[in-house]
Amino acid sequence: GAVVSQHPSWVICKSGTSVKIECRSLDFQATTMFWYRQFPKQSLMLMATSNEGSKATYEQGVEKDKFLINHASLTLSTLTVTSAHPEDSSFYICSARDYLSGRANYEQFFGPGTRLTVL
Amino acid sequence: AQTVTQSQPEMSVQEAETVTLSCTYDTSESDYYLFWYKQPPSRQMILVIRQEAYKQQNATENRFSVNFQKAAKSFSLKISDSQLGDAAMYFCAYRRGNNNDMRFGAGTRLTVKP
Repeated sequence: GAVVSQHPSWVICKSGTSVKIECRSLDFQATTMFWYRQFPKQSLMLMATSNEGSKATYEQGVEKDKFLINHASLTLSTLTVTSAHPEDSSFYICSARDYLSGRANYEQFFGPGTRLTVL
Repeated sequence: AQTVTQSQPEMSVQEAETVTLSCTYDTSESDYYLFWYKQPPSRQMILVIRQEAYKQQNATENRFSVNFQKAAKSFSLKISDSQLGDAAMYFCAYRRGNNNDMRFGAGTRLTVKP
């Protein structure tokens, strides 16, 4: 149980285009989802926290107009990288927490990540 | 702000031997959780072990155990009987309270030599 999926697993796009990444909790309701970015050989850096039905909270230095996050349902959050540029190329990881049921109140479940390459 | 420091960018261990990965953190909170995650080449984050700050007993999961020194704000991971499959990046993480985000250290790359 407690599986989080991401789609796509990898994507290549041209500079200036927008890319949407989906994060789904498959067998639990994710009241909170987190989006991380990981550059090669570096750690995970939190980009934003999204709660179902409300606006995402962005970390300092993360442009909210560039990285649009929508958490419209308890099982789906999306990250849209708008007008992508080569410097946005990175590995994007989402994680989800099931706070309501109490089953996983200590733990975040991570998706497998999405590798974005912007040409 | 809470920070997590992993001072060992790389570590190496012989198969079947024991290795300890270091982690220190900085916080003024009393309610927090600490985690060790493993990230193999697949990049999937895998929870290795977690420790609640209010528990004095060190957490143990099979070959993995922690040395939690609350006063020193230290949280090291010991891997016993190392196996080739243990080779990965290991991240120490901190979470304030029960419903907050997680902050990660820079990571330690563990190599296991046959």
